[in-house]
Amino acid sequence: AQSVTQLDSQVPVFEEAPVELRCNYSSSVSVYLFWYVQYPNQGLQLLLKYLSGSTLVKGINGFEAEFNKSQTSFHLRKPSVHISDTAEYFCAVSDPSAGKSTFGDGTTLTVKP
Amino acid sequence: GAVVSQHPSRVICKSGTSVKIECRSLDFQATTMFWYRQFPKKSLMLMATSNEGSKATYEQGVEKDKFLINHASLTLSTLTVTSAHPEDSSFYICSARTMMATRYNEQFFGPGTRLTVL
Repeated sequence: AQSVTQLDSQVPVFEEAPVELRCNYSSSVSVYLFWYVQYPNQGLQLLLKYLSGSTLVKGINGFEAEFNKSQTSFHLRKPSVHISDTAEYFCAVSDPSAGKSTFGDGTTLTVKP
Repeated sequence: GAVVSQHPSRVICKSGTSVKIECRSLDFQATTMFWYRQFPKKSLMLMATSNEGSKATYEQGVEKDKFLINHASLTLSTLTVTSAHPEDSSFYICSARTMMATRYNEQFFGPGTRLTVL
């Protein structure tokens, strides 16, 4: 069994400030890790993923995340946010053998001018 | 590449009717597709895993006779909500897993279908 906990349900931040969205997971097996972004009434778009290798992963739109195995975390960061980054962000883990993903409850990022 | 479409994007139906939602992988073949349900301000709940040419695997608590899934080809899976009721109103999202070795563990999501049952 696997689970995902997104530690912050809402994160308000001012434009051009840095942001970190926190994600912790638990699993009895090795997993793949993902961050997705969802804009209102749309599907999910992949921001970045960790499958193996370097623990620092860079994604689209200036986002990056660091896999920390000892702390079972995969926090998402961006050094300077834009108004357009306002959206719902989901952290997910995937069992490599089964392929299906388990999602966190989401974090609403609101970027204010 | 790796585009997934859903049709319709929005549907309103009367209670008791059935609604079919299509999920297509437009530029790749998908042996596996997943169907999720998302409630307002909530995360995605996996409903079932759909494998081409075989019966879908439903998650615990999901009524397979109510949510019929068919994966007839490598590019098309359908979800039929039978005898829909207002509590079935939700945002339904599908995803597809590519056969490409380099992106095998990545899911590509459709844009979602908003179902409203009156």
